[in-house]
Amino acid sequence: DTTVKQNPRYKLARVGKPVNLICSQTMNHDTMYWYQKKPNQAPKLLLFYYDKILNREADTFEKFQSSRPNNSFCSLYIGSAGLEYSAMYLCASSRSGTGAFTEVFFGKGTRLTVV
Amino acid sequence: GEQVEQLPSILRVQEGSSASINCTYENSASNYFPWYKQEPGENPKLIIDIRSNMERKQTQGLIVLLDKKAKRFSLHITDTQPGDSAMYFCAASEGRIFFGDGTQLVVKP
Repeated sequence: DTTVKQNPRYKLARVGKPVNLICSQTMNHDTMYWYQKKPNQAPKLLLFYYDKILNREADTFEKFQSSRPNNSFCSLYIGSAGLEYSAMYLCASSRSGTGAFTEVFFGKGTRLTVV
Repeated sequence: GEQVEQLPSILRVQEGSSASINCTYENSASNYFPWYKQEPGENPKLIIDIRSNMERKQTQGLIVLLDKKAKRFSLHITDTQPGDSAMYFCAASEGRIFFGDGTQLVVKP
């Protein structure tokens, strides 16, 4: 099974409320990523877990949290949603090679709408 | 992070002709360059990739070229078909994968 599963597919949230998005994979990949994608823009890397180590991008450091309770699951948490968080959130996973990266598998995404 | 520039943003071609998408990157440490195709309602899917120890790779009507000196790589689709119509993303990885803004390819019958 080479699928990355994301739940839910669609999420409606109120401004100021928390949002938690879930991702899972059963490929035993050591690395899991979260990307934010807005229309007509490239997927933007928010953060990634390499094994148990969380790496957050500098410009999104304070806006997003994540947890990875085990190898298969990874969540993306927004403490207080703002209108600007409305986007598609893509989870992805890969197995890191030595020196060079390997194929990244993407989930179908969760479309978050903040109102 | 890495900056990946992708052009054109929209590409319209006639069925049977070829299509080319060009990308540039900044970080000389980038060593892996995948290309993804995304169809409406679907997740991005890897269609071809190239590593920094190669200059050219070809598979099933797709050709990727990599010029490390110029920090430039490109995707060429030969004999385009309507089914090739989709959004295409290039990406560069130095441990984290960064994407270009995407190219909307429209193949006209």
